[in-house]
Amino acid sequence: GAVVSQHPSRVICKSGTSVKIECRSLDFQATTMFWYRQFPKQSLMLMATSNEGSKATYEQGVEKDKFLINHASLTLSTLTVTSAHPEDSSFYICSARDQIARPEQYFGPGTRLTVT
Amino acid sequence: DAKTTQPNSMESNEEEPVHLPCNHSTISGTDYIHWYRQLPSQGPEYVIHGLTSNVNNRMASLAIAEDRKSSTLILHRATLRDAAVYYCILSGGGGSTLGRLYFGRGTQLTVWP
Repeated sequence: GAVVSQHPSRVICKSGTSVKIECRSLDFQATTMFWYRQFPKQSLMLMATSNEGSKATYEQGVEKDKFLINHASLTLSTLTVTSAHPEDSSFYICSARDQIARPEQYFGPGTRLTVT
Repeated sequence: DAKTTQPNSMESNEEEPVHLPCNHSTISGTDYIHWYRQLPSQGPEYVIHGLTSNVNNRMASLAIAEDRKSSTLILHRATLRDAAVYYCILSGGGGSTLGRLYFGRGTQLTVWP
């Protein structure tokens, strides 16, 4: 149980275009979803916290107008990287919690974004 | 957010027990102690979590010091598949950061055949 999927697994896009990444909880309803970014040889950095039906909460230094997060249902959250630039190339990972009372998070396999 | 301190790297031989330490001297009373691990180019994998008492699951055991200022993740018999970066993270504590995980650098575990 507790499986989280991401789509696509890797994407290449041109500079200036937008890219949408989907995160789905497959066998549970996610009260909260999280988005992380990881650069090569570095640790994960939390970007934002997303609750179903409400606006995402962004970490300090993360541009909310650039990284649009939509959490339209209890099983789906999307991250859209708008007007992507080469410096946005990174490994984007989502996670989900299935119940407020349970603190553990289940992570997706990640999406490798390359902006050319 | 409370910080944790872990060794940068550790090594073990296959089928031997591994004890991965974590110091968290500034832990608050409501912080959970989480352990996750990550293989290259994959999302992290939940390992175990605890609050005050020692915890066991099919993957590992978590031993928490009585004063909660440190903990140890125990892999009872290391396998090659256990080679990963292990992250010890505090989470909870209430307030605006409830449930969020802030990853440190973790411990790179190497398992030798």
